Amino acid sequence: QLQLQESGPGLVKPSETLSLICSVSGGSMSSSAYYWAWIRQPPGKGLEWIGSLSYSGTTNYNPSLKSRVTLSVDVSRKQFSLKMNSVTAADSAMYFCARDSDWVDGFDIWGQGTTVTVSS
Amino acid sequence: DIVLTQSPATLSLSPGESVTLSCRASQSVRNDIAWYQQKPGQAPRLVIYDASKRATGIPARFSGSGSGTDFTLSISPLESEDFAVYYCQQRSNWPRTFGPGTRVEI
Repeated sequence: QLQLQESGPGLVKPSETLSLICSVSGGSMSSSAYYWAWIRQPPGKGLEWIGSLSYSGTTNYNPSLKSRVTLSVDVSRKQFSLKMNSVTAADSAMYFCARDSDWVDGFDIWGQGTTVTVSS
Repeated sequence: DIVLTQSPATLSLSPGESVTLSCRASQSVRNDIAWYQQKPGQAPRLVIYDASKRATGIPARFSGSGSGTDFTLSISPLESEDFAVYYCQQRSNWPRTFGPGTRVEI
């Protein structure tokens, strides 16, 4: 059973870069049927898709965040990562990684999420 | 971007009742709609994909329908564990987008 686990600092200072890693266990990342995604949820609010990338590194970003976000993948380490620069308090949220599957046309596996707070 | 609108925002119901949630897309998404259930403090869980197919482990009381721009998620009968927030999401086009959610509460 494939599992995802987010990791990274829980506190980031304004204007700095948020960096998170999603570790994949129990399965392979190397399939063209999947994208690997980041999704966030501010406290008490809804879900916002940040971006998705394939195992080969093809990326798709939310246009509202594209200028500040970089996604990357390391298949050999079974990890993919999110970097978001110039963060503000509005970027404080629960950040989830998820598998975006062509087989089931949805985000079928999710990490438990990690809380990131932007504050000085 | 495709905008998804969900209605109503909140529903207050009792176990044993039936409920139908609505999701409307700003343009056709064919049948590329998924529904997620989220309980407090948990990650969302895929419930329905391709508008009408139940995800693995989802009980038969959940059903989805629709195509084009109008979609529904029905739960009948409601069980106590079904009280949660439900989000629709489209993957017809990039960027992926979610609806604002419908809270089903007791």
